Amino acid sequence: ETGVTQSPTHLIKTRGQQVTLRCSSQSGHNTVSWYQQALGQGPQFIFQYYREEENGRGNFPPRFSGLQFPNYSSELNVNALELDDSALYLCASGILAKSSYNEQFFGPGTRLTVL
Amino acid sequence: AQKITQTQPGMFVQEKEAVTLDCTYDTSDPSYGLFWYKQPSSGEMIFLIYQGSYDQQNATEGRYSLNFQKARKSANLVISASQLGDSAMYFCAMRVLNTGNQFYFGTGTSLTVIP
Repeated sequence: ETGVTQSPTHLIKTRGQQVTLRCSSQSGHNTVSWYQQALGQGPQFIFQYYREEENGRGNFPPRFSGLQFPNYSSELNVNALELDDSALYLCASGILAKSSYNEQFFGPGTRLTVL
Repeated sequence: AQKITQTQPGMFVQEKEAVTLDCTYDTSDPSYGLFWYKQPSSGEMIFLIYQGSYDQQNATEGRYSLNFQKARKSANLVISASQLGDSAMYFCAMRVLNTGNQFYFGTGTSLTVIP
């Protein structure tokens, strides 16, 4: 158990809809990162939030957005859903570190299916 | 550009035997960390072991050891005395200090332990 929770576990949406995924980080962690993991692939970095501001973004369009709240919760919002958005979405919390060691604690993921 | 390559889509190992999962990486930055994660079918990424680019000794954590060969840019995971519960996907990941906190993941290796 990493202490990181995500909701919902599974979600089915239709193309064009909007979705909000939620994550609850470990207490004391000041970063939350979101990853998209397509079937058979490794996780791809979407973005990271640090102290409620975006602190790095991967190669994802602006329709992927996020929020981080002071109570260790965060959200990933995806607008105008496309079929290719179907994936496992993982959130990971950690502490911003200045060394290369920066363990991230992952949640169990939300599996999103877009029909 | 940062990249992780895992060339073994699937591996089989007999219970109680040792197995090596391959990982090569590419970065021009001298400061980086290499991580291995285990992902069971439940989806959660479980941290296994870490190796920093300046670490002189190979990392070990229980039955896991990391064979770090810096000149070859490889960071292979060795699992000794395989157990049935080791059957899962294994991901190699890298964090480069000067590119923020994102992790770069490989495509993973599916390990099956045979009784």
